[in-house]
Amino acid sequence: DIQMTQSPATLSASVGDRVTITCRASQSINSWLAWYQQKPGKAPKLLIYKASHLQSGVPSRFSGSGSGTEFTLTISSLQPDDFAAYHCQQYDSYFSTFGQGTKLEIK
Amino acid sequence: EVQLVESGGALVQPGGSLRLSCAASGFIFNTFTMNWVRQAPGKGLEWVSHIHSSGTPIYYKDSVRGRFVISRDNAKNSLYLQMNSLRAEDTAVYYCARSSGNYGGSEFDYWGRGTLVTVSS
Repeated sequence: DIQMTQSPATLSASVGDRVTITCRASQSINSWLAWYQQKPGKAPKLLIYKASHLQSGVPSRFSGSGSGTEFTLTISSLQPDDFAAYHCQQYDSYFSTFGQGTKLEIK
Repeated sequence: EVQLVESGGALVQPGGSLRLSCAASGFIFNTFTMNWVRQAPGKGLEWVSHIHSSGTPIYYKDSVRGRFVISRDNAKNSLYLQMNSLRAEDTAVYYCARSSGNYGGSEFDYWGRGTLVTVSS
């Protein structure tokens, strides 16, 4: 299985900050990577697919980059609604795997 | 509006069985690959199984292969997960999720709200 290593596990930030979350794959996954946001007790919500494509309806302050084995999710200016958990997912094969998640909390 | 609604979660003893269901609406169900994804308490997401729009091919995570069976009824717009020989480590919220594409790997563009399975004596 392809292993996904996400960092940091926890990130403390303030409204208006620019934050970056990183996801590393154990082997090349080209650009087959997605990012999800999850709030407590809720289902995950797709933010970014194919590494850098913004899902319809997602605010433009979210962006994704990377290819191969290293990927980043950036939130350009944190809003109160953005404090949540974030997960990366590789789908280079049918056997999809997720990172361990990053909890973004208010500083 | 796309909706996925899971049901069937419960408290079950180790070694027991459970069948989860996912009712889909708001899209043409028989044209989309579907998945089960789980999340153990306080943990990350874990893909469990995948079934193509036609019913084959089917894929499973290694740790559930031989114990879990995914199926679908396109006439009823429903997805199922039959879980047998349940273990404590299967305890999780189980989500039904739609693949955005119908071939190869894919991101999951819609998710249900999940159903809780607890395996404990």
